[in-house]
Amino acid sequence: DSGVTQTPKHLITATGQRVTLRCSPRSGDLSVYWYQQSLDQGLQFLIQYYNGEERAKGNILERFSAQQFPDLHSELNLSSLELGDSALYFCASSLRTGYDNEQFFGPGTRLTVL
Amino acid sequence: AQKVTQAQTEISVVEKEDVTLDCVYETRDTTYYLFWYKQPPSGELVFLIRRNSFDEQNEISGRYSWNFQKSTSSFNFTITASQVVDSAVYFCALANFYQGAQKLVFGQGTRLTINP
Repeated sequence: DSGVTQTPKHLITATGQRVTLRCSPRSGDLSVYWYQQSLDQGLQFLIQYYNGEERAKGNILERFSAQQFPDLHSELNLSSLELGDSALYFCASSLRTGYDNEQFFGPGTRLTVL
Repeated sequence: AQKVTQAQTEISVVEKEDVTLDCVYETRDTTYYLFWYKQPPSGELVFLIRRNSFDEQNEISGRYSWNFQKSTSSFNFTITASQVVDSAVYFCALANFYQGAQKLVFGQGTRLTINP
């Protein structure tokens, strides 16, 4: 158990809908990262937050947004969902931000868009 | 551009065999970190090792060992005396640190199956 929690574990929804994925980092960790794992794209970095501020963006679609709250939990919002958004979404956390910070991953949320 | 290549898509061996998973990376940074993660069938990503670009010493942890060679931009992972529980997808990753942010760039993963 990494100490990172994600809810829900599974989510099934329809095209065009909007969903929110939630992540609680390990106690004391200030950085939160979101990744998408799909069969065709592999594991891709989406976005990073550090102590409430956005720090880096990767291959995140404009239909997706995220935020980190004062209690350091984070939410990833996915809107106007398409079939291709079906994937495993991971949240990770690290103590700070930097080369040497290990990222600890949560169990993931499996999103299925029908 | 940062890139990680794991050329072996799938490997299947019989239990107790040794197996090496290859990882080749590309980066123009002089300071970087390399990682290996394990993804068992249950789906979570488990951290295995971190190695910085200035430390080329090989590392051994039980049945696991890692060989880092900057000259060939490789960071290979060997499992000795493999066990069925080692069956998983293994990912090699490169940490890119830019403007105060860290990103992990992952390889495509190698699916390892250990047969009894």
